[in-house]
Amino acid sequence: DVKVTQSSRYLVKRTGEKVFLECVQDMDHENMFWYRQDPGLGLRLIYFSYDVKMKEKGDIPEGYSVSREKKERFSLILESASTNQTSMYLCASSLWESSSTDTQYFGPGTRLTVL
Amino acid sequence: KQEVTQIPAALSVPEGENLVLNCSFTDSAIYNLQWFRQDPGKGLTSLLLIQSSQREQTSGRLNASLDKSSGRSTLYIAASQPGDSATYLCAVGSGNTGKLIFGQGTTLQVKP
Repeated sequence: DVKVTQSSRYLVKRTGEKVFLECVQDMDHENMFWYRQDPGLGLRLIYFSYDVKMKEKGDIPEGYSVSREKKERFSLILESASTNQTSMYLCASSLWESSSTDTQYFGPGTRLTVL
Repeated sequence: KQEVTQIPAALSVPEGENLVLNCSFTDSAIYNLQWFRQDPGKGLTSLLLIQSSQREQTSGRLNASLDKSSGRSTLYIAASQPGDSATYLCAVGSGNTGKLIFGQGTTLQVKP
């Protein structure tokens, strides 16, 4: 079974702090994704990566950056956390063999609160 | 721009009922359509994937259909159980990068 793990289930940070969210997958997947999920807004894509050191902006990249130094690890960085970044953050990965059959496997999520 | 809509936003049914969840999308140029389940405070779990060339997929009590021309998909759950209570999300794969566009989900409650 594919396993996607996230470094923390719950995280509380203060405004202005630099925050790192880590995601690791164990199935040699090419693609990795970071989403945030908010009530009424659904899942929104922040960034994704299709290869080591490669990244592409999603729909809401402002205030975030990412790092993928190794294939299995994809980090989301909040350069200076703000209260409007309080959210559930979900990481996902996919194999990317075919555009028609590719599915994403999700981690358990990190509930981030910025005070 | 692809938009995905799910109706209803919430649904409550008694145990044993058959039910249908709806998903619509605005651009028919899709690679696939997927249904996910999310339990409260958890990540998403893939339920069914329908490729663009397919009309339906089945897994146990779940059946998903796809009508690309009308931009619609349905998820049919037979003989619902309390354990089916969760939020169900549909997502469309509409680019060749593996990105998915999600609907906002339908929260289902099955009462014993």
